[in-house]
Amino acid sequence: GDSVTQMEGPVTLSEEAFLTINCTYTATGYPSLFWYVQYPGEGLQLLLKATKADDKGSNKGFEATYRKETTSFHLEKGSVQVSDSAVYFCALRDSNYQLIWGAGTKLIIKP
Amino acid sequence: EAGVVQSPRYKIIEKKQPVAFWCNPISGHNTLYWYRQNLGQGPELLIRYENEEAVDDSQLPKDRFSAERLKGVDSTLKIQPAELGDSAVYLCASSLELDNEQFFGPGTRLTVL
Repeated sequence: GDSVTQMEGPVTLSEEAFLTINCTYTATGYPSLFWYVQYPGEGLQLLLKATKADDKGSNKGFEATYRKETTSFHLEKGSVQVSDSAVYFCALRDSNYQLIWGAGTKLIIKP
Repeated sequence: EAGVVQSPRYKIIEKKQPVAFWCNPISGHNTLYWYRQNLGQGPELLIRYENEEAVDDSQLPKDRFSAERLKGVDSTLKIQPAELGDSAVYLCASSLELDNEQFFGPGTRLTVL
């Protein structure tokens, strides 16, 4: 079945550092891909999405590009802030519109 | 606009006791989801409703779990009896339609002792 694999955390960075969180997927067909973020004590929020190959999703300085050839959707940000500390989830939506999730990556940003 | 509301936020019970979780989706959202999230893992879908109809409950352990969505609005998820392995965060989400963005509530953290 479809699956999502993302890098294990925690990822610890200093403020203003460059961020990459890797995400790869296995799927039949061409799923839509998502990044969700969960801030402490809050619900999951959609961060960005891409619906077809080569699409780039972007929001709040974060970007991810749908790479069909490498089945990847890595999350990047050029300069992280303390407020970006959260757990980030990569997910795909399968042909039944069901979200298949990665295990999440905890990001810790130190001032 | 109010988001997805869930209650309670936290629940501690002893094994074999019953427990219920309540969810009020965003107004006008036809699709409602219940997920279970174990520690260090992503959410797993338990059941999905289209209005008041359960259209995907293949992952719901039907021997002890039940759910309902009366009048296609609020929903309740019940566990009876609870087991130690049921300790998790139970998330409710809603979307306007099946292929629209899902909005999540803050979840109910269940601890079974």
